[in-house]
Amino acid sequence: NAGVTQTPKFQVLKTGQSMTLQCAQDMNHEYMSWYRQDPGMGLRLIHYSVGAGITDQGEVPNGYNVSRSTTEDFPLRLLSAAPSQTSVYFCASSFAGTASINEQFFGPGTRLTVL
Amino acid sequence: AQTVTQSQPEMSVQEAETVTLSCTYDTSENNYYLFWYKQPPSRQMILVIRQEAYKQQNATENRFSVNFQKAAKSFSLKISDSQLGDTAMYFCAFMSNNAGNMLTFGGGTRLMVKP
Repeated sequence: NAGVTQTPKFQVLKTGQSMTLQCAQDMNHEYMSWYRQDPGMGLRLIHYSVGAGITDQGEVPNGYNVSRSTTEDFPLRLLSAAPSQTSVYFCASSFAGTASINEQFFGPGTRLTVL
Repeated sequence: AQTVTQSQPEMSVQEAETVTLSCTYDTSENNYYLFWYKQPPSRQMILVIRQEAYKQQNATENRFSVNFQKAAKSFSLKISDSQLGDTAMYFCAFMSNNAGNMLTFGGGTRLMVKP
């Protein structure tokens, strides 16, 4: 198993450009999510999905779009990049349900810089 | 909404010594889960230990143990016999039993283990 993979690892954008951060998992996890990590802060939830075709907003969703057409993939789209979106982005996945603790598996992160 | 607070931005410990990292949280819920994650310079998020709120017994994983005080809403991490490889950022995180698998993170504690 490759686990959770993210591409690219690094990206530099100019203000106003758009791009998609890719996330894929091969563990058949229902739940997938995107977090951002800013310097000196913990991770904050951007968007999440509990299954194909279902997405919802997290704590900091503005400026980002997501879709979940398959169980495996959960791309994050920046429509018009802003310097405030400079951050490290993490994708995570787990089995869904609240009956037990479902360990979240994190990808290696994407460092995004917006100039 | 839940909040997680880590009051120690940085800590250091001598190799082989014991160190305790603090975490407090605020919630009105009774059923939830708490986690400690390690983030080494590689940026990978690694689950260190987890605790179910309904369990009175403190969780232990090899050199890592927690002191879970539910009434005080405190969840500290003790690292025994510190090793150089323990040098990392440590994040405390909260997961509600009623909000899917969403994690709320504290701001992190940077731990330096000195030889």
